[in-house]
Amino acid sequence: DTAVSQTPKYLVTQMGNDKSIKCEQNLGHDTMYWYKQDSKKFLKIMFSYNNKELIINETVPNRFSPKSPDKAHLNLHINSLELGDSAVYFCASSQQWGTDTQYFGPGTRLTVL
Amino acid sequence: AQTVTQSQPEMSVQEAETVTLSCTYDTSESDYYLFWYKQPPSRQMILVIRQEAYKQQNATENRFSVNFQKAAKSFSLKISDSQLGDAAMYFCAYRSPILTGGGNKLTFGTGTQLKVEL
Repeated sequence: DTAVSQTPKYLVTQMGNDKSIKCEQNLGHDTMYWYKQDSKKFLKIMFSYNNKELIINETVPNRFSPKSPDKAHLNLHINSLELGDSAVYFCASSQQWGTDTQYFGPGTRLTVL
Repeated sequence: AQTVTQSQPEMSVQEAETVTLSCTYDTSESDYYLFWYKQPPSRQMILVIRQEAYKQQNATENRFSVNFQKAAKSFSLKISDSQLGDAAMYFCAYRSPILTGGGNKLTFGTGTQLKVEL
């Protein structure tokens, strides 16, 4: 059973395009996150949702818009893609807002040409 | 803001030997959580071990154990009886106890690439 899944695993696109990454967790968790891992493998939080409500938005450009249709899903839409958006994007979840342990999805490698 | 430092970009260990990965952090908080995550070439982030700062006892998970020195703000990971499957990037991470103001997030170090040699 896959706990946290992401689609697609790989995404190659042209500059200026709009793309979405989807995340689903079947753990029954309330809280979900998006992290970005850059080319130097540095991981940084982008967003966090708790019970479908946006809680954390870490100085991410407006071109990035997360959406949580329900507690099990957190999608990331990116408008007007730029070369610098190339990275691995990880979705994660934790049981509740105050729960410390986060479980990660397999990541989506986005390449912008 | 909290920072996490991993001063060893790369480490090597012989199979069956023991290796220790270093991590230090900076915080003014007294209660927090620390983690080690493993990222193999598959790219999956796998939780290795966690430590609650209010617990003095060092966490242990099979061949993985930590040396948590709260006063020194140090959180090293010891891998005993290293196996080829341990080869991966290891990340140290910090989580604040504060749940407001963006506190409920993981702050990661820059990672240590561990190579396991035959």
